[in-house]
This record gives sequence, C-alpha cells and structure tokens, in this order.
Amino acid sequence: DGGITQSPKYLFRKEGQNVTLSCEQNLNHDAMYWYRQDPGQGLRLIYYSQIVNDFQKGDIAEGYSVSREKKESFPLTVTSAQKNPTAFYLCASSVDRGTGELFFGEGSRLTVL
Amino acid sequence: AQSVTQLGSHVSVSEGALVLLRCNYSSSVPPYLFWYVQYPNQGLQLLLKYTSAATLVKGINGFEAEFKKSETSFHLTKPSAHMSDAAEYFCAVSPGGYQKVTFGIGTKLQVIP
Repeated sequence: DGGITQSPKYLFRKEGQNVTLSCEQNLNHDAMYWYRQDPGQGLRLIYYSQIVNDFQKGDIAEGYSVSREKKESFPLTVTSAQKNPTAFYLCASSVDRGTGELFFGEGSRLTVL
Repeated sequence: AQSVTQLGSHVSVSEGALVLLRCNYSSSVPPYLFWYVQYPNQGLQLLLKYTSAATLVKGINGFEAEFKKSETSFHLTKPSAHMSDAAEYFCAVSPGGYQKVTFGIGTKLQVIP
C-alpha cells in the first residue's frame, strides 16, 4: 500500500541531544512537509520541500534542520537549539498540486526528559 | 495572507444528535478549504475538501460542509453523531499549489452515550 511512514512512533531524548525523525513516502509526491502539533495550537509548519535538494523554512524552523536527498525521504533533525522540543511531529506530502491537499503519516511523539 | 478560526476548542454532543463544527476563514485569493479528522496519537485524515466545484461538499463517514463565501465560513455537519465520531477535527485553508496550508487550532468532539 502507498503511504507515508514515520519512525520512530515514540522517542525519548535527553536535553542537549540531537534526534532525527524519519519520513519516507512511496506515493511519488513531489512536495513534503513537516508540521509540529501542540495541544491547543493546531499544526505549525516547520519546513517544506517542493523538489529534491531544495527546501524552505516554515513558520517555526528555528532549532530544526532537514534534508531532501531523495524524493522519497525527508528526515527532520531536532537539534539541541530547539528550546521546547517535546511535541507531536507530523510529516505530510502533497497529493494534489492544484488544491494543496495533504496526505499525512501517523506521526512521531518526541519527549525530552 | 490567510487564516482559519475554529469556534469552540471542545464540543460535546449526545449520540444521535446533530454535529456542527464551525470554521471561518480569511484568504486574499479564492481558497481551497479542507476538513481533516485526527484520532488520538494518529495522523490527520482528509474528511472532505472544497475546490469550487460545488458549495455543498460531502465527505466520508456521513459528514458534509457548506462553503458560504458571504460569511467566509465552511462549517462541518453530520445529522446524527456516532460514538466513533469522537476525535479532533481541523479546518484548513490553502491558496492552492504547493503553497502553505494554514490550519485552525482544532475542535475536539466528544460524543456522549
């Protein structure tokens, strides 16, 4: 089945450590996105990529980094510079270039201890 | 610029009662509008979308939404709530293409037996 796979589902990190969240899609979508979800704040865009080897900052990019070396993969690194990294992270890809409809993975929950 | 306002972060209905979740938007261009549903610790799933083809849009699980340009609204309704409808619902707006999709803060729907 086609879809977006995020891993790990749950991740615990000590303060000061970097952590990388994986996002892989087999939908052949050009665009991929990372969102952060916090209770009562909806979804906020971290980074997005419309094409391989190119990506743009979203609204809350500080403390995060991404790469897009392959069309299928868009990993997100949460660095030690991110002051409040505990959150639910969602990866998405764009289904329809015309409308902007998004297709989401199952999410990764990061907890900083 | 675009924005989404969801009125009511929590809504409770009795099983079998009408579900009404409110969404108002602002957009500088003709918008594409979406409703997504999220179950606990899962990703978002598309319920329905407005793409200017018809103002009354039918989605999955018996949900529908009506686009009202004069009121800048896109409220989500379902005639009869089911226990399985308990989830969080997000309204979103997009100018189309690979441009940024803006989400509301979400409305948690509780269904009371």
